[in-house]
Amino acid sequence: DGGITQSPKYLFRKEGQNVTLSCEQNLNHDAMYWYRQDPGQGLRLIYYSQIVNDFQKGDIAEGYSVSREKKESFPLTVTSAQKNPTAFYLCASRDRPQGNQPQHFGDGTRLSIL
Amino acid sequence: AQKVTQAQTEISVVEKEDVTLDCVYETRDTTYYLFWYKQPPSGELVFLIRRNSFDEQNEISGRYSWNFQKSTSSFNFTITASQVVDSAVYFCALSEISGGYQKVTFGTGTKLQVIP
Repeated sequence: DGGITQSPKYLFRKEGQNVTLSCEQNLNHDAMYWYRQDPGQGLRLIYYSQIVNDFQKGDIAEGYSVSREKKESFPLTVTSAQKNPTAFYLCASRDRPQGNQPQHFGDGTRLSIL
Repeated sequence: AQKVTQAQTEISVVEKEDVTLDCVYETRDTTYYLFWYKQPPSGELVFLIRRNSFDEQNEISGRYSWNFQKSTSSFNFTITASQVVDSAVYFCALSEISGGYQKVTFGTGTKLQVIP
């Protein structure tokens, strides 16, 4: 079945530590996105990528980094510079950056601070 | 700037009642798309419907129906004869071209609890 796989489902970070969240898709989609979800808030865009080897900052990129070396993979690193990383992180993809197709979402990763 | 408002934070209904989730949006563009997604406890957002700004026809799909009114910038979602499986957080989203890509803005979500 085609879809988006996020791992791990739960992740704990120590102070001063960088952690990486994995996102893999086998939908052959060009565009991929990372969102952060906090209680009572909508999804906020962290980074997006329209094509391999290219990515752009979203609304809340500070303290995060990404890479897009392969079409199917878009890992997100939460760096120690992100002082409030506790949240639910969702990865999404879309077949093309433009157009009206809906985004497909993974199951999410819940990140907490130890 | 685009904005999506879902004023209802949480709604509780008894099973078999009808329920309407409100969504109001703001945009300066004439071409845009509106979406509804469902987020069950598992966390994944599931796509429900897409509507473009030129199509104001209401739509019905089984127990779900959507009312799109450009005059009031609203895109409301009604569940008829609600069921326990409808319990989830529902997000309304607005998509338009911004800076050369399709920017999607989500509302804050409405948590629906259907009580058996």
